[in-house]
Amino acid sequence: DTEVTQTPKHLVMGMTNKKSLKCEQHMGHRAMYWYKQKAKKPPELMFVYSYEKLSINESVPSRFSPECPNSSLLNLHLHALQPEDSALYLCASSARANTEAFFGQGTRLTVV
Amino acid sequence: AQSVTQLGSHVSVSEGALVLLRCNYSSSVPPYLFWYVQYPNQGLQLLLKYTTGATLVKGINGFEAEFKKSETSFHLTKPSAHMSDAAEYFCAVSVAAGNKLTFGGGTRVLVKP
Repeated sequence: DTEVTQTPKHLVMGMTNKKSLKCEQHMGHRAMYWYKQKAKKPPELMFVYSYEKLSINESVPSRFSPECPNSSLLNLHLHALQPEDSALYLCASSARANTEAFFGQGTRLTVV
Repeated sequence: AQSVTQLGSHVSVSEGALVLLRCNYSSSVPPYLFWYVQYPNQGLQLLLKYTTGATLVKGINGFEAEFKKSETSFHLTKPSAHMSDAAEYFCAVSVAAGNKLTFGGGTRVLVKP
């Protein structure tokens, strides 16, 4: 199984809503990532978890809150988002540092 | 710090022609280099990677890339373009110090029949 599964595929939320994005992998990978990708731009790193501990936080606003409940799951909790937060949110995992990252299909988020 | 520059945000090739996508990197330590492909509204798929060893690496779908340290380059090629190669391609670099993968700006490939 070489898949990273993200749910939901699409999400529309209001600026006062609270929602969560979910990511799951069963490859035994110990590093997991959240990226944000705007249209026609490369992915931008948001957070990195290594062995279930947050190792990199790229100065992301606190309205984005990551959580890694166990080695297979990664969540991104969303609260009070702005329309400019609308983007494709990509989850990825890798076996360890500097090995190739496997990406999920992404969640297309629209904030209205 | 590490960075990646992809020369040309758009490349147009004819079906059957050579595909050449250029990538130059900057890194203070030996880099690990990757090429990813992204089809519309999808995630990224790894095409190939360079870590250590052989400088010419072969990937999926007939792509290959050559690591040239003296030129700090990792250009991607495919001898004969196919219509299904139309997509966005990203070069990326990571370094031994951590898990951070840094992407270039991307190159969109258009394949003409």
